[in-house]
Amino acid sequence: DAGVTQSPTHLIKTRGQHVTLRCSPISGHKSVSWYQQVLGQGPQFIFQYYEKEERGRGNFPDRFSARQFPNYSSELNVNALLLGDSALYLCASSLTLAGETYNEQFFGPGTRLTVL
Amino acid sequence: DAKTTQPPSMDCAEGRAANLPCNHSTISGNEYVYWYRQIHSQGPQYIIHGLKNNETNEMASLIITEDRKSSTLILPHATLRDTAVYYCIVKDYKLSFGAGTTVTVRA
Repeated sequence: DAGVTQSPTHLIKTRGQHVTLRCSPISGHKSVSWYQQVLGQGPQFIFQYYEKEERGRGNFPDRFSARQFPNYSSELNVNALLLGDSALYLCASSLTLAGETYNEQFFGPGTRLTVL
Repeated sequence: DAKTTQPPSMDCAEGRAANLPCNHSTISGNEYVYWYRQIHSQGPQYIIHGLKNNETNEMASLIITEDRKSSTLILPHATLRDTAVYYCIVKDYKLSFGAGTTVTVRA
């Protein structure tokens, strides 16, 4: 079975540009979460979507936005890129809402974004 | 806003058990303890989780103290492929990762 897939694997942008990252969850999973991992740190929660609605948001500026489509895939958008947005962006999918008492999250390989 | 404390690093000899401690003194009654690991440049991988009882699966064992304020992840026979950053997480609706423990398994 295919795991969580993300595209692209690597991306180079310049400051001020916009970027869209994509995630396809495991078949049957309805929840997608996005995390940002800066080099040397643990992943930081950005968004959670379930059934196409935002169910949680981390401490990130409004330049970050996301959406989930009817097929449960998701996009993360970042506007007005800053050098500090350079990071590994991870997508995780789970069967149900991540607030459920047991709900393992499966992570994709991530998209490495470099902002120059 | 991580709710756990882990040592930054530890070494382990190949074939020996690796015991990874975690403190979570502010855990509330219905919060689970999860362990994930992240091998270099890959996405985090789920290992095990528990509430109050000890748990074991094919990857590891999880020992949770009776007061639930700390836990230990045990890798029974560490291999070189177990070299990774290990994260202990007290889970609410999201996974709040701290800095984790960098485990290096040496031959």
